[in-house]
Amino acid sequence: EPEVTQTPSHQVTQMGQEVILRCVPISNHLYFYWYRQILGQKVEFLVSFYNNEISEKSEIFDDQFSVERPDGSNFTLKIRSTKLEDSAMYFCASRPGLAVTDTQYFGPGTRLTVL
Amino acid sequence: LAKTTQPISMDSYEGQEVNITCSHNNIATNDYITWYQQFPSQGPRFIIQGYKTKVTNEVASLFIPADRKSSTLSLPRVSLSDTAVYYCLVVNTGFQKLVFGTGTRLLVSP
Repeated sequence: EPEVTQTPSHQVTQMGQEVILRCVPISNHLYFYWYRQILGQKVEFLVSFYNNEISEKSEIFDDQFSVERPDGSNFTLKIRSTKLEDSAMYFCASRPGLAVTDTQYFGPGTRLTVL
Repeated sequence: LAKTTQPISMDSYEGQEVNITCSHNNIATNDYITWYQQFPSQGPRFIIQGYKTKVTNEVASLFIPADRKSSTLSLPRVSLSDTAVYYCLVVNTGFQKLVFGTGTRLLVSP
């Protein structure tokens, strides 16, 4: 069964550094997402991406965040200057079709630790 | 988006049927009810989705009464590996994102 993959599984960085989290969505999926989950808290939506542009973003997704689909397979989340409060699990998800009721398939996550 | 309310935690034993009820009083006409499962340190995984009445798949059943103000996820004969957090979500066709609540932490014991 096809899966969403994410790398790295764990990233440790110093406050103020830039990080790039990488995802390979399921092939032929059309919609891509980033969510995050701070330890012990809810899964929170960050951004959705379709047709090479941001479809929707949350208040969390400020100017420090950006997303890119540099080629036909990768989908990246960049945090320009990390803060302590950015420490969380970051999940990438993809969806096969345009209907929001289509299943979203989540990756295993990247644990980001900001020191 | 309709707010969902579900129990914070539930306990069960292997082999039992588990029913998790979710309240969504303000559900709109074009909202769907979707359930996801999440194991520790893993991404959420889709379980089942429905609009009304009953939906069944190989993993679970979803019961939705006529007024759609609540729904019940039914897990038949749970095993230890069903220990996870279960999220009830209301998916609105006008929004592209999933909105997660705090979920129900199910603990299955031997």
